[in-house]
Amino acid sequence: QLQLRESGPGLVKPSDTLSLTCTVSGGSISGTTYYWGWIRQPPGSGLEWIGSINFNGNTYHNPSLKSRLSITVDTSKNQFSLNLISVTAADTALYYCARHSATAMAPLDYWGQGTLITVS
Amino acid sequence: DIVMTQSPDSLAVSLGERATIHCKSSQSVLYSSNNKYYLAWYQQKPGQPPRLLIYWASTRESGVPDRFSGSGSGTDFTLTISSLQAEDVAVYHCQQYYSTPTFGQGTRLEIK
Repeated sequence: QLQLRESGPGLVKPSDTLSLTCTVSGGSISGTTYYWGWIRQPPGSGLEWIGSINFNGNTYHNPSLKSRLSITVDTSKNQFSLNLISVTAADTALYYCARHSATAMAPLDYWGQGTLITVS
Repeated sequence: DIVMTQSPDSLAVSLGERATIHCKSSQSVLYSSNNKYYLAWYQQKPGQPPRLLIYWASTRESGVPDRFSGSGSGTDFTLTISSLQAEDVAVYHCQQYYSTPTFGQGTRLEIK
């Protein structure tokens, strides 16, 4: 059974960089057509797609975050990561990693449990 | 970006009754080359991540009970729960994946 698990600092200071990692188990990131994505959910709000990457490092970013966002993949560790620079209180959210069921133009069929990031 | 608007924001339905949630996209999410609507529905229970229920607007994900169904055309889509069960209490989200993925604001479903 595929599992995804987010790891991160919990608390980030304003103007600092948020770094999160998603570790995939029960399946390999490598050599597949799947894309792997980041989604966030501010407290009491809806879901916002952040960006996605495949094993080759091809990425798609939400245009509203693109200037601050970097998504990378480490196939040797079966992980992908998110870096968001210059964070503000508006970046406080529950951050999820998830798998697209096929390409980036596909729904998200496996999700991590999420990690809460507070910017303060 | 394609804006997804759900209605209502919250809904209370009696056990065993039908629940209907609507989702409207600001532009078409129909991909003409394969005639598929790039529209999904998710269920999110408290303290849990979203769970994929429906994709291609009407295809149930494996393991999803058949009381859940999706329909729609054009820019208007519907998620229907034919006979509400207590375990269906959740927030339901629609999502388009035709372009930069966007979600609706969510609909909270409760028991009346």
